[in-house]
Amino acid sequence: DTGVSQDPRHKITKRGQNVTFRCDPISEHNRLYWYRQTLGQGPEFLTYFQNEAQLEKSRLLSDRFSAERPKGSFSTLEIQRTEQGDSAMYLCASSYYNSPLHFGNGTRLTVT
Amino acid sequence: AQSVSQHNHHVILSEAASLELGCNYSYGGTVNLFWYVQYPGQHLQLLLKYFSGDPLVKGIKGFEAEFIKSKFSFNLRKPSVQWSDTAEYFCAVASMEYGNKLVFGAGTILRVKS
Repeated sequence: DTGVSQDPRHKITKRGQNVTFRCDPISEHNRLYWYRQTLGQGPEFLTYFQNEAQLEKSRLLSDRFSAERPKGSFSTLEIQRTEQGDSAMYLCASSYYNSPLHFGNGTRLTVT
Repeated sequence: AQSVSQHNHHVILSEAASLELGCNYSYGGTVNLFWYVQYPGQHLQLLLKYFSGDPLVKGIKGFEAEFIKSKFSFNLRKPSVQWSDTAEYFCAVASMEYGNKLVFGAGTILRVKS
């Protein structure tokens, strides 16, 4: 078990730029989740995949956010035209069906 | 929609003190319940979980939690905390009706004084 891997660990970008994050789940896990966490709050659900299918997307998620998992393995999360309010820790997690989620270390995004 | 409430945002204890962190959730159907812990500089880790059966569940490092369905609660306990328990603790709930995704509470930051 090599754990869930996220890249990069930190990203600083200027407002209006696009950013893309990558997540590599635990290899035998078929579900992959994206969460966002801001200071003083618990992780907030963004979206999840089962294999390559995106099964749910949070209603709170702006259409500037898009996620893909093209081959059912790694996933990318893209934020277009970033805003200062997008500054947060972006967490990826994976599981095998309904088993407990395993989390990565996250990508900390700072929008200046 | 589901929601999770954690009663205290900051708790400070001395070593050997007993710990109880409160967690209440709003959903009335069948749920799976979790406590995750995040040590400084580390990722979220599963502390313990409840799916079914005995409502008193034991986790790692001497932690336990009790599921009380009538109170919609899943409180975390430890009889004697150690300095190394300093961390942030998150309660989370999942249900099949909501795609089994986790809904987290806001977290409780525990600081244990040595």
